[in-house]
Amino acid sequence: GAGVSQSPSNKVTEKGKDVELRCDPISGHTALYWYRQSLGQGLEFLIYFQGNSAPDKSGLPSDRFSAERTGGSVSTLTIQRTQQEDSAVYLCATSTGRTSNQPQHFGDGTRLSIL
Amino acid sequence: AQTVTQSQPEMSVQEAETVTLSCTYDTSESDYYLFWYKQPPSRQMILVIRQEAYKQQNATENRFSVNFQKAAKSFSLKISDSQLGDAAMYFCAYRNYGGATNKLIFGTGTLLAVQP
Repeated sequence: GAGVSQSPSNKVTEKGKDVELRCDPISGHTALYWYRQSLGQGLEFLIYFQGNSAPDKSGLPSDRFSAERTGGSVSTLTIQRTQQEDSAVYLCATSTGRTSNQPQHFGDGTRLSIL
Repeated sequence: AQTVTQSQPEMSVQEAETVTLSCTYDTSESDYYLFWYKQPPSRQMILVIRQEAYKQQNATENRFSVNFQKAAKSFSLKISDSQLGDAAMYFCAYRNYGGATNKLIFGTGTLLAVQP
């Protein structure tokens, strides 16, 4: 597709379960970001991947959160032992490269609800 | 650390009128980028306008323009001839120039309602 694709669109799960969220970047985009948007809040940076470089994990809120990017393309954000405070919209964004003047293109996000 | 503040949680404007959304930020950097993003109910973040800090001229995109005051660290968005389709959440965002991550730092947003 032409844009950033995220799946699932919505996810409802019970507290304590693990969840995986997927992001398919725009073809050729080497930079990939995950952000979290909690209710009534702006977007909060979680993690950044750039090509084969080590990811910047400085925004991950706890060790229950992890992400990987296989082959420099698809990325998966995993939340283990989910808590109610993890309920939020998780947005993925990609851009063409390392330089800061490249705009980030966002997907539609995954709305995660923890019961 | 850089911060972005949007002091107007909600705004309302009549169709065809003009509205200004406020944004202030804090940084010790001299080179950076500022953005306004629009988020309709579909959740997708749409880039509205971008400003490079080293440019004195205010950015303009059709009905959207900014008032960038670098010394005051202010970056307001003006929407002229407001349309019903402009109704959305608007986020102001900051990004460093250069650096390893280039992550966006967002404000908490302003919900804009457009009245017919």
